[in-house]
Parts: sequence; structure tokens; C-alpha cells
Amino acid sequence: SAVISQKPSRDICQRGTSLTIQCQVDSQVTMMFWYRQQPGQSLTLIATANQGSEATYESGFVIDKFPISRPNLTFSTLTVSNMSPEDSSIYLCSGTGTRALNEQFFGPGTRLTVL
Amino acid sequence: AQSVTQLGSHVSVSEGALVLLRCNYSSSVPPYLFWYVQYPNQGLQLLLKYTSAATLVKGINGFEAEFKKSETSFHLTKPSAHMSDAAEYFCAVSGKTGGFKTIFGAGTRLFVKA
Repeated sequence: SAVISQKPSRDICQRGTSLTIQCQVDSQVTMMFWYRQQPGQSLTLIATANQGSEATYESGFVIDKFPISRPNLTFSTLTVSNMSPEDSSIYLCSGTGTRALNEQFFGPGTRLTVL
Repeated sequence: AQSVTQLGSHVSVSEGALVLLRCNYSSSVPPYLFWYVQYPNQGLQLLLKYTSAATLVKGINGFEAEFKKSETSFHLTKPSAHMSDAAEYFCAVSGKTGGFKTIFGAGTRLFVKA
């Protein structure tokens, strides 16, 4: 199984600023995803992070607000841009194994509070 | 498109009673199905998964789930609830048609009464 770490684990930010969240996997994963979990809600998929190309965004999410990079098979970043209090959420990174695409591993999440 | 529906946003049981959390899925092809648990202020933990092998899947902490194609269901059960089972439970689906991205249900919060 893959172990996923995220930095930072939590942050408090001012509105109008941007925060970049890093996701590091200890082994190669085939696919990487970013999710958002708003307070008291379920997880919503933001985008699929594609290696070396633009991420694939789900409905309601756009690149200008959530730019994503994936330079290699073990690392990805998500930036939350021009933040507002509505962006206060937990952001989770996940990856699927190379042996079985149905096996998905999740990072511990980044708890973001926007004031 | 794939989706899951969890019936009941809140379920309350007494300690020692049966736990039953309901999940129905929608998928045009055989899905992969999962149950995750999230304790307060913690990350996601995989309880169990169905990947087209045995229809009765046993997971951690005494939980199990049965895949019923005819009912498009994947309900989670545990014979005897413990206080430590109080948490949020998410049913999820993924598959090739969805690009292997995992789609989560709305979640069911389980309360266990002493």
C-alpha cells in the first residue's frame, strides 16, 4: 500500500490570499486526485491530477481557482487561490495503486480555515 | 455516471445492538464499492471493499457488507455495536467508466447509546 503525506496539515489564512498544499506519495501511483470536504459534508472530487499535463476538473471547479500540478508520479500540489471563508474545508489528496486501480489511498488531509 | 445513495444521515443504536447502514449504488458496469469510516477530526480509514470477488466482504473492526446486484445495494453491518463505533461512515463507488475516481455518498453518522 502507498502512504500519502500532505503539507501543511492545517493553516489559517486571510481572505484574498492563496495557499498551496503539497501531496507526497511514498511510491508511484497511477492516478492522483484532490477532494474537498466542507464542514459536516461528504467528500467532493475537485479534479484528477494528470502527470505532465493539465488537471481534469469536475463540474463546479475551475483551474483559475484550484490550479493543480503533478510533475511526477509521486507528487502533486493543489493551490486554493484568492481564498474566501467559503473555502474553509479539509482538502484531501489520494492516489490509486499501480497494481490495482480500484485501490485508493488517502492522505490525512489539510484543514484550511479562511478568515 | 456512477453514484451512491446512503439512506439515513443519522443512525442511532444501543451498545450491543445490530448496526445496519444502508447504501445503494448506481453504475452501468460492475462497480468497485467501498465503506470508509471517519472519526471526529481524523482522516478517512478504509473499512472494507468489494472488487467483484466474494459478495460478502469482511472488513476491520467486525464490520461486513454484502454486495447484492439485484438490489444494487452494499449495506454495512456489524452484529454488536461498541461505543467506539460512533463515527461518520461513507459509502463510495469507483470503476473504469468513471476513470477510477471515487465518488462518495453523503455519509451516515452513527451514534451509539450506552
